[in-house]
Amino acid sequence: DTAVSQTPKYLVTQMGNDKSIKCEQNLGHDTMYWYKQDSKKFLKIMFSYNNKELIINETVPNRFSPKSPDKAHLNLHINSLELGDSAVYFCASSQGVYQQYFGPGTRLTVT
Amino acid sequence: ILNVEQSPQSLHVQEGDSTNFTCSFPSSNFYALHWYRWETAKSPEALFVMTLNGDEKKKGRISATLNTKEGYSYLYIKGSQPEDSATYLCARGSARQLTFGSGTQLTVLP
Repeated sequence: DTAVSQTPKYLVTQMGNDKSIKCEQNLGHDTMYWYKQDSKKFLKIMFSYNNKELIINETVPNRFSPKSPDKAHLNLHINSLELGDSAVYFCASSQGVYQQYFGPGTRLTVT
Repeated sequence: ILNVEQSPQSLHVQEGDSTNFTCSFPSSNFYALHWYRWETAKSPEALFVMTLNGDEKKKGRISATLNTKEGYSYLYIKGSQPEDSATYLCARGSARQLTFGSGTQLTVLP
C-alpha cells in the first residue's frame, strides 16, 4: 500500500489555466506539507497543515491555495498558471515534527 | 551559518570505498536534524532523525553523527555499493518545519 500518494504524476497545461494536485496519506499522520523542488533541486516548503489547520504559509503567490478536507488529504490548487510554476511538487506527511514521508512527486509543466 | 549547507555538492567513489559528507546548520534554537536519501526519479526517503548532541545513528552500512553545539552532522557510508548512488539530503528541523540543504550527490562506480 502506498503511504503517501499524489495525483497526477505528470501534468502538462497551458499558461493561464487552473489546476489541482491531490495528495493522500494513509499513515494516520496529523501533519501534511507541500514542497516545491526548484530548478537547483532545492526542496522548499510551501505549506504545512496540522490537523486540517494551516500552520505554515511560506511566501508563495496567492495563486496557490492549499485545501485540507480532512487529516488524510491536502490538495494544492493553482490559479492562472505561469511558466515559472513549472517544477516538481512533493507532498509529505509526518506525525508531529518527526520524520517526513514523501509522495512520488508531481511534475508540472506549463507551456 | 544562516542556512543548511552540505558539502561536497557531488562525490564519485569506487565500489568498496568508504565515504562521508557534511551538513552544517545554525546551532541556535536547534530542534532536530534529519537525513534523507533521494534516488533519481523517486521521492526522498528518511534515514535518520537525531535530536541530542552526540547522537549517533546507524542503519546497515550507513551511520550519522550529530554535534549541535557547533552545528554539524556527518553521514558515513562504509564499503559503498552502486546501489548507494543517490542524493543525500540533510534538513534542520524546527518546531514547525524542515529546512533542507541542497544535498550531496553520490555516485558509486562499479
